[in-house]
Amino acid sequence: DTAVSQTPKYLVTQMGNDKSIKCEQNLGHDTMYWYKQDSKKFLKIMFSYNNKELIINETVPNRFSPKSPDKAHLNLHINSLELGDSAVYFCASSQGIGAGRADTQYFGPGTRLTVL
Amino acid sequence: GDSVTQMEGPVTLSEEAFLTINCTYTATGYPSLFWYVQYPGEGLQLLLKATKADDKGSNKGFEATYRKETTSFHLEKGSVQVSDSAVYFCALSGNNNAGNMLTFGGGTRLMVKP
Repeated sequence: DTAVSQTPKYLVTQMGNDKSIKCEQNLGHDTMYWYKQDSKKFLKIMFSYNNKELIINETVPNRFSPKSPDKAHLNLHINSLELGDSAVYFCASSQGIGAGRADTQYFGPGTRLTVL
Repeated sequence: GDSVTQMEGPVTLSEEAFLTINCTYTATGYPSLFWYVQYPGEGLQLLLKATKADDKGSNKGFEATYRKETTSFHLEKGSVQVSDSAVYFCALSGNNNAGNMLTFGGGTRLMVKP
């Protein structure tokens, strides 16, 4: 069983479109995340979310929004896609949330988004 | 804010060579430190972690020691294998980080030749 899964694996779209990436975890974790990895492999946190709290990295444009239908899912919606949004997006999950925790984060396989 | 700096790659080694990948960090308080590994075409996997000063994390022959005095968490392995070829990321989770979000270094690509 895949612990953290994402769909689609590849997404190619035109500038200006709106798209979504889905993420599901079957680990029973309370917290889920979205990360962006650019072409130079640099990873940056976008969001941290549990059923009570959304924490947004302040550098993330408001065109990006996470949506969680339930504890096991955290989807990423992107409006008005731009060329610079091209990257690999990783979903992750961990057991809990709170300052100072050292919970292992489990990552999905990634979604490669290409904006033309 | 928190930051992680690690040596730029690629690092190219022959099989059975000794590996060191340097990692230093800047953070307030006492962060937890991690090494994650990304194999080609895959997501990241936790390799090892340490949560307080002088802790040593170890897994699969890899080791790293949390050195608060030098704010470092260098990754070492005594004898690398071709299967260790991957990108290695040093990361921290700050003590003031309510979201438990990870701050990553830039990644170091390791290539091991037979």
